[in-house]
Amino acid sequence: GQQLNQSPQSMFIQEGEDVSMNCTSSSIFNTWLWYKQDPGEGPVLLIALYKAGELTSNGRLTAQFGITRKDSFLNISASIPSDVGIYFCAGPSLGSAGNNRKLIWGLGTSLAVNP
Amino acid sequence: KAGVTQTPRYLIKTRGQQVTLSCSPISGHRSVSWYQQTPGQGLQFLFEYFSETQRNKGNFPGRFSGRQFSNSRSEMNVSTLELGDSALYLCASSVSGRTDTQYFGPGTRLTVL
Repeated sequence: GQQLNQSPQSMFIQEGEDVSMNCTSSSIFNTWLWYKQDPGEGPVLLIALYKAGELTSNGRLTAQFGITRKDSFLNISASIPSDVGIYFCAGPSLGSAGNNRKLIWGLGTSLAVNP
Repeated sequence: KAGVTQTPRYLIKTRGQQVTLSCSPISGHRSVSWYQQTPGQGLQFLFEYFSETQRNKGNFPGRFSGRQFSNSRSEMNVSTLELGDSALYLCASSVSGRTDTQYFGPGTRLTVL
């Protein structure tokens, strides 16, 4: 079945550094979603990507939909302590039409920021 | 506008018991999806309800079931609990079911002893 491979699994960086993480799949996705989950909370959508090659920003976050449609990247610039959390990529499973799609998730990248 | 609420937040059960978790969606949202989150498997889709009908189902055994009420509140039930059912159970609501417009609740942490 469809799987999303997310890397790196974890990162420990200094405040102010830039961060890059990616998500790859052996199958094509038509939408890529990036979420952040804080401890004790549910995931919160950060960025949604709908078109191959698309580059979208949300503040210090930038995400790109890979040209092959099999990968996506998330960059965080000038990290701050509140960026700490787990970042997930996700995409709607193929095989069901319209809005009735279930999400496939990566296992997450855990980010720690040293102030 | 109140967010998605889930009750209880924490639950401890023993093997063989059954459990019911509740999710109250954001007002006006008619779709509720449920996910199981574990460290090894990540988030896995359980099922989605829209207007009291199950529209989508993941690959979980029949011990996992759900329902949705006319006010869009949803419950999920797990019968004959196993140790491997220990997880964070998340629900997400949206107006129509679009996965890019879902809002997640904080989850119910279930521990099976």
